[in-house]
Amino acid sequence: GAGVSQSPSNKVTEKGKDVELRCDPISGHTALYWYRQSLGQGLEFLIYFQGNSAPDKSGLPSDRFSAERTGGSVSTLTIQRTQQEDSAVYLCASSLDTTTSGNTIYFGEGSWLTVV
Amino acid sequence: GNSVTQMEGPVTLSEEAFLTINCTYTATGYPSLFWYVQYPGEGLQLLLKATKADDKGSNKGFEATYRKETTSFHLEKGSVQVSDSAVYFCALTQGGNNRLAFGKGNQVVVIP
Repeated sequence: GAGVSQSPSNKVTEKGKDVELRCDPISGHTALYWYRQSLGQGLEFLIYFQGNSAPDKSGLPSDRFSAERTGGSVSTLTIQRTQQEDSAVYLCASSLDTTTSGNTIYFGEGSWLTVV
Repeated sequence: GNSVTQMEGPVTLSEEAFLTINCTYTATGYPSLFWYVQYPGEGLQLLLKATKADDKGSNKGFEATYRKETTSFHLEKGSVQVSDSAVYFCALTQGGNNRLAFGKGNQVVVIP
């Protein structure tokens, strides 16, 4: 596609429910990133993929968070048993690859998650 | 580890004023440096970047110069417009994962 596409754009869920957030990167981009943006925490790195492999999961806040990527394209971020502190904007980004420093990283518009 | 520090607090200024947002970084080696902008209700957009020392990134009247000696990448614009009101994030990448480390961001409000 023309840009990074994320869905849903907005999600309100009850505490304790599971949610799935989807990201469709720019066509041909092998690198995919998930970030979280929340008040007071700024922009936090969560996880990245090079192809279908996730070498760095260090940013995932807890074992309730997981992500996968299939076919080197679409990625899903899953949050199990959501808590109110999970409320944030979840941003997906992609770039041509991860091996070239300075590659431009393009962001989607984010999925706004509210846990009530 | 790598980190980025931006000046504290929002910036409020009048139209046509000069804007500076300070950014300093901590990194080993030679990171690539970026400024991203987030307009109200929109996603993050790359504003400009510089990939090596003394490079100057520029776009939409904004400029920033990669200063290795002072580990800085300050953003400047000579004459701001109301449409420049947004949140500005300084960031860097380094190493084999191209992962961005962001500063806290600065909200810029331009008053007519």
